[in-house]
Amino acid sequence: GAVVSQHPSRVICKSGTSVKIECRSLDFQATTMFWYRQFPKKSLMLMATSNEGSKATYEQGVEKDKFLINHASLTLSTLTVTSAHPEDSSFYICSASPDFGNEQFFGPGTRLTVL
Amino acid sequence: SQQGEEDPQALSIQEGENATMNCSYKTSINNLQWYRQNSGRGLVHLILIRSNEREKHSGRLRVTLDTSKKSSSLLITASRAADTASYFCATDLGDKIIFGKGTRLHILP
Repeated sequence: GAVVSQHPSRVICKSGTSVKIECRSLDFQATTMFWYRQFPKKSLMLMATSNEGSKATYEQGVEKDKFLINHASLTLSTLTVTSAHPEDSSFYICSASPDFGNEQFFGPGTRLTVL
Repeated sequence: SQQGEEDPQALSIQEGENATMNCSYKTSINNLQWYRQNSGRGLVHLILIRSNEREKHSGRLRVTLDTSKKSSSLLITASRAADTASYFCATDLGDKIIFGKGTRLHILP
């Protein structure tokens, strides 16, 4: 089946630094990918829709200048958390759907800890 | 079966009928969540049920959880055309969350 990978799986960084998270569809092309975050013991929250070749669509309340999304190719989307702060510590997960189908595939997630 | 596997994979019912989707999982969980996704859109959180809860309601939604059978069900009552979407269950294992492949629900007019 289709596989979505994320890198890194875990990252610990100092406050004020920027962190880049990659989401890759390994064996299919995805025009659209989605980024979510999950706070401890909470549900997943959609952050933005990443569109290949165009600007991402952000959900209300999500700062686009803080969470930079780049969908450079049909198999790669990146989420950069800029000037990270401890409140950005969370679990970030991406998902992608093959262009030819409706099934959704999720990455394993990235756990970000900002000290 | 995989962790967080839904059945059926696809379901078509008449508007006004009730729709039931099931989710089975393998390992112990902290909580189980149900999400909905309209075509081409991101997931929308519907309801979260904790491992010590057995049933939860939210509007026309009813979720049950049976930890002894490692299964959950999502019931949508009095279905509407706007309920047409894919529905996913997700099991929260604490250090990761695992999604099933989803059930595609189609409400017929």
